[in-house]
Amino acid sequence: KAGVTQTPRYLIKTRGQQVTLSCSPISGHRSVSWYQQTPGQGLQFLFEYFSETQRNKGNFPGRFSGRQFSNSRSEMNVSTLELGDSALYLCASSSSETRAADTQYFGPGTRLTVL
Amino acid sequence: AQSVTQLGSHVSVSEGALVLLRCNYSSSVPPYLFWYVQYPNQGLQLLLKYTSAATLVKGINGFEAEFKKSETSFHLTKPSAHMSDAAEYFCAVSRFGNEKLTFGTGTRLTIIP
Repeated sequence: KAGVTQTPRYLIKTRGQQVTLSCSPISGHRSVSWYQQTPGQGLQFLFEYFSETQRNKGNFPGRFSGRQFSNSRSEMNVSTLELGDSALYLCASSSSETRAADTQYFGPGTRLTVL
Repeated sequence: AQSVTQLGSHVSVSEGALVLLRCNYSSSVPPYLFWYVQYPNQGLQLLLKYTSAATLVKGINGFEAEFKKSETSFHLTKPSAHMSDAAEYFCAVSRFGNEKLTFGTGTRLTIIP
């Protein structure tokens, strides 16, 4: 099975712009989670989508949003970019068949640089 | 609320020596615990996970971890370090296997030739 794929791998934007990142989960996986990784804050949970519905949300401002499509692919959007949004954004998928025994598998990430 | 603490942001060991990376957790419910590894410019790769089935968990690449409830610990070990083990290691906790993960701050492992 192919792993989790994320596009693009690298992005450079300027302050005030918006950006959309894409994530394709492992085939058959229905849950997609997003995480932000920065040197200062480490790995932080952004949100999780399951069957096109946001099931859980982290503590991030409303500028961060996401959605999931019927084929389980997910996108996250960041509007009005700030310098502090520079980070590695990681997507993880899980089958969600049985919550207890499930595991999240991560993609390679999208490195976003805000100038 | 759940949390994990990783003791030692940097650990250096000689090639062939024992690797020990420490993780302590805090959880109000029986936790699910994970170790992930991250190589430079890559995502996270699952090394192993604890889901209450067995306290000693064996993972990939010769790593294993032991869940000790009395010590609230889940330390990662490998008997003999290899140069390819150089990476950053993250301990994580969740309520369920696929619920949001709460990560530790990571431990960067350096292998000395």
